[in-house]
Amino acid sequence: KNQVEQSPQSLIILEGKNCTLQCNYTVSPFSNLRWYKQDTGRGPVSLTIMTFSENTKSNGRYTATLDADTKQSSLHITASQLSDSASYICVVSAPDDMRFGAGTRLTVKP
Amino acid sequence: DGGITQSPKYLFRKEGQNVTLSCEQNLNHDAMYWYRQDPGQGLRLIYYSQIVNDFQKGDIAEGYSVSREKKESFPLTVTSAQKNPTAFYLCATSTGAMITEAFFGQGTRLTVV
Repeated sequence: KNQVEQSPQSLIILEGKNCTLQCNYTVSPFSNLRWYKQDTGRGPVSLTIMTFSENTKSNGRYTATLDADTKQSSLHITASQLSDSASYICVVSAPDDMRFGAGTRLTVKP
Repeated sequence: DGGITQSPKYLFRKEGQNVTLSCEQNLNHDAMYWYRQDPGQGLRLIYYSQIVNDFQKGDIAEGYSVSREKKESFPLTVTSAQKNPTAFYLCATSTGAMITEAFFGQGTRLTVV
């Protein structure tokens, strides 16, 4: 069964600190993995997209890693800002399927 | 966002009534999707369409209906048969198959009163 599991479910950090969000998946065959940021009450916005051959990709203060062998990905946020408070969703695609994780709710406090 | 418009943003429905959620896109994308989002769960696929006048059921299609008469539009009707319709509904588009990147609208919050 194609599944995507994210951890932690929620996370609270202080402004300026770093954090890492985890995504484990069983989706097969694997096509790509994406991280989305979703502000409360709004649609998700893409942060990164990674294919099988890529093991790291950065987008500003966001860095995603992918280990296709262990089927794990992480999203590292550096020097967090208040505006980083949002849900972060991991999405894993097979050629004819796309599975969403439940998301990690990140709260950045001043 | 970015050329995908969902309306209304908030919608209230009485039990037993049908209601239609609008999704319009000007991205010229072939594929359109409807997802339902509930607290603590990942997005679940309701219906998707990869071409005009054709659509397929997703994982939770019961109680919902769609149409795809135009490339730009993919309305979702929540019928009275849907027993627990209160949720956040997201429309998405992509250039082709599910492996391509999906772009999302801003969502519609449906509440049954």
